[in-house]
Amino acid sequence: EPEVTQTPSHQVTQMGQEVILRCVPISNHLYFYWYRQILGQKVEFLVSFYNNEISEKSEIFDDQFSVERPDGSNFTLKIRSTKLEDSAMYFCASSEVGGFGSAGGYTFGSGTRLTVV
Amino acid sequence: AQTVTQSQPEMSVQEAETVTLSCTYDTSESDYYLFWYKQPPSRQMILVIRQEAYKQQNATENRFSVNFQKAAKSFSLKISDSQLGDAAMYFCAYRRLNTGNQFYFGTGTSLTVIP
Repeated sequence: EPEVTQTPSHQVTQMGQEVILRCVPISNHLYFYWYRQILGQKVEFLVSFYNNEISEKSEIFDDQFSVERPDGSNFTLKIRSTKLEDSAMYFCASSEVGGFGSAGGYTFGSGTRLTVV
Repeated sequence: AQTVTQSQPEMSVQEAETVTLSCTYDTSESDYYLFWYKQPPSRQMILVIRQEAYKQQNATENRFSVNFQKAAKSFSLKISDSQLGDAAMYFCAYRRLNTGNQFYFGTGTSLTVIP
């Protein structure tokens, strides 16, 4: 079964450093997403991406965050200057269709645990 | 704003028994989707079951079924004949029907299956 692959599985970074989280969505999917889950809290939406641009983002997704699809396969989340509160599990997801009429068809990756020290 | 509430942080069930996980949500919309996702120790979020709000019939997937009460804005998950592999964190989620792509998740219920 097709999978969404995320690397690395765990990343430790120093506060103030830039970090890039990588995701390889399912090859025929067109919509891409990032979610995060702070330990013990709910999974929160960060951003959705379609046709090489952000289609939706939450208040969490401020200027410190950016997303990119640098080639035909990768989808990355960059945090420019990490803060302690950015420590969380970050999930990538992809879907074949999105928005209107889409009941599901989302596939989540296994996540990257980011620890900011 | 859409909110999803799971009031049971932890639940346990004996193997082969039945357990029900609770979920309530708040929305002003009439049509939407509801989901239950499972997150085992492998951390991957796996879709368990989904329900379209415009369908009156409760969704069923093998041992998993839901009790969808639209007026009460309640969406509980029943797991029958519980198996050790059902042990996981379960998240209830809401998604709008016609606009937007984001899920609104609850805080999760950690299910332990006792052999």
